[in-house]
Amino acid sequence: DQQVKQNSPSLSVQEGRISILNCDYTNSMFDYFLWYKKYPAEGPTFLISISSIKDKNEDGRFTVFLNKSAKHLSLHIVPSQPGDSAVYFCAASAGGTSYGKLTFGQGTILTVHP
Amino acid sequence: DGGITQSPKYLFRKEGQNVTLSCEQNLNHDAMYWYRQDPGQGLRLIYYSQIVNDFQKGDIAEGYSVSREKKESFPLTVTSAQKNPTAFYLCASSIGTEFGNTIYFGEGSWLTVV
Repeated sequence: DQQVKQNSPSLSVQEGRISILNCDYTNSMFDYFLWYKKYPAEGPTFLISISSIKDKNEDGRFTVFLNKSAKHLSLHIVPSQPGDSAVYFCAASAGGTSYGKLTFGQGTILTVHP
Repeated sequence: DGGITQSPKYLFRKEGQNVTLSCEQNLNHDAMYWYRQDPGQGLRLIYYSQIVNDFQKGDIAEGYSVSREKKESFPLTVTSAQKNPTAFYLCASSIGTEFGNTIYFGEGSWLTVV
């Protein structure tokens, strides 16, 4: 049962344009969502998070949008840079006893072309 | 520098042998985690620990064991009972925020069974 899904295995974008990475979830108990960036053979790096009480959170070039009714979140990267090329994972957690236990999507490979 | 240190980076194990992966953090985080990543898949939770001398099974704990004798250390033993141990293993720790726990990862350890 895949509770967090990233339906696009890959995305290719031109440098300077917007990259939009999508994520869907099924568990209505999820209330905290995170995006991670990962290079091959390295650990994931935390990028940005959003609580379910918000619908948008920005940090520099990165913005995460949350649509609770659709159980959908997206990560926007503007402008995209070649160094952004990596695998992006979305993750979700529920409050209470779950205590930071994250459920991850399968990842989306982003390639930004110069 | 504060961070999470995993060792070794690469490890080869013969079938039938147990092997222990080390994880140390100096971030003063209470919670620590072990995740596993297989090619083309997301991260799956093996074990997690919220405090010293306490830990809980994650989604794929069979064939693994952990200990948490010190706050800074959370070693993972991959036993001979683990049927498919070849994977990329990630240790993590987390800090609570107002809305949820943000997890930070180490650099990972590659385990190959030969």
